[in-house]
Amino acid sequence: DVKVTQSSRYLVKRTGEKVFLECVQDMDHENMFWYRQDPGLGLRLIYFSYDVKMKEKGDIPEGYSVSREKKERFSLILESASTNQTSMYLCASTFDSLNTEAFFGQGTRLTVV
Amino acid sequence: AQSVTQLGSHVSVSEGALVLLRCNYSSSVPPYLFWYVQYPNQGLQLLLKYTTGATLVKGINGFEAEFKKSETSFHLTKPSAHMSDAAEYFCAVSPMNTGFQKLVFGTGTRLLVSP
Repeated sequence: DVKVTQSSRYLVKRTGEKVFLECVQDMDHENMFWYRQDPGLGLRLIYFSYDVKMKEKGDIPEGYSVSREKKERFSLILESASTNQTSMYLCASTFDSLNTEAFFGQGTRLTVV
Repeated sequence: AQSVTQLGSHVSVSEGALVLLRCNYSSSVPPYLFWYVQYPNQGLQLLLKYTTGATLVKGINGFEAEFKKSETSFHLTKPSAHMSDAAEYFCAVSPMNTGFQKLVFGTGTRLLVSP
C-alpha cells in the first residue's frame, strides 16, 4: 500500500517562527501536493511539485514556500508564521498524470499563537 | 481557472434513503473527475474516479457517479444510506490544461445520516 507520512499530527508555533512541515511518500510518486483545509473552504492548493526541484504555485501560495530535494520528500515552509495560517495541512501524492489517484497523509493541525 | 462547485455544505438523509451529493465543474474540456471521502480525524481516500470511457462510474462502499458532459456535472449517489456513510465528501477535478497533474477540490459536503 502507498503510504504518505506527515511528520507531525499536531504542532503549536509562535507568531514569527519559521515552520517546517514534512511529507514523505514511499511509492516513487512523481507528483506531490500541499493543501490547507479550513471549514467551509474545502481543500485549497498551496503548492505542488511534479518532479524533483520543480514546483508550481497553487491557489494560495502567499506566505508559504516549498522544497523538493528528493523525489519522496516534499516540505512546506512557513517563513514567518502568522495566526491566519492556523489550519489543517494535508499532503498528497499521485503517481503521474495517467494514474491520478491521490494518496493523502493524515494531516498536520497547526496552531499559531 | 478551473473550479468545482459542490451544492450544499450539509446534506441530511435517513438510514436507507437515497444519497445524492452534487458536483459541477467549470471547463469547456472535460477534466478528470474524482470523489473523495474524509472520515473524522483522517486524511482523504478515493471513492471513485472518471478519466475516459463509461460515464457511469462505480466506486467503493456502493457509491457511484455519472459524468454528464452536457451538464458539466459529476453527482455522487448511493441507493441506500448507511450510518457509516456519515463523513465529508469532496469532489475534485484534474484539468487537462495542467496535463491532468493538478488537483482542484470543491468546498466539501458533510453527509449526516440519521437512524
